[in-house]
Amino acid sequence: NAGVTQTPKFQVLKTGQSMTLQCAQDMNHNSMYWYRQDPGMGLRLIYYSASEGTTDKGEVPNGYNVSRLNKREFSLRLESAAPSQTSVYFCASSEQGENGYTFGSGTRLTVV
Amino acid sequence: QKEVEQNSGPLSVPEGAIASLNCTYSDRGSQSFFWYRQYSGKSPELIMFIYSNGDKEDGRFTAQLNKASQYVSLLIRDSQPSDSATYLCAVQSYNTDKLIFGTGTRLQVFP
Repeated sequence: NAGVTQTPKFQVLKTGQSMTLQCAQDMNHNSMYWYRQDPGMGLRLIYYSASEGTTDKGEVPNGYNVSRLNKREFSLRLESAAPSQTSVYFCASSEQGENGYTFGSGTRLTVV
Repeated sequence: QKEVEQNSGPLSVPEGAIASLNCTYSDRGSQSFFWYRQYSGKSPELIMFIYSNGDKEDGRFTAQLNKASQYVSLLIRDSQPSDSATYLCAVQSYNTDKLIFGTGTRLQVFP
């Protein structure tokens, strides 16, 4: 049982570069999320998708875009990376009526 | 005011003691409450959830909810060094799947 799979696990970018963080879940969940985690700031919601074909902004969406490619996959794109986007990124999924989220293992991103 | 507040710690307790972790929230429409444990460098994992006022026990863990006071807590009995981690409180409002997380409390259990 893979659960939620995130790739890559680590990435170093130069300022201005772009990249896409991939996330896939095999639990047939409708809802998927992208969070970032910074020291002292906790987990903050970037974007979420309540179902295939829908996406909505969270608390900190600026500088990011997302795509819900199908029910399984939810990607996060940084078009022009900035040092302020250095963080650990977590993808998660859930199903309404079930309890809590299942998290992926995270992507540690450094922008220099 | 943050929506979900936790003391960042560290909370240090001796092995075998009871660790008490606290969380307050601001949204009175909150319906579901979760406790996640996060080891350093790892992703959060769900350890408890509670919906109704009162206590809910699962092994060494007890979650306590007081909606009138907008307060949720997690008690860990017979604390072990392996319990040393950051504990995240998360709150879910009515009719949404989104969770709002606190910043977490770091727990240290020393032998």
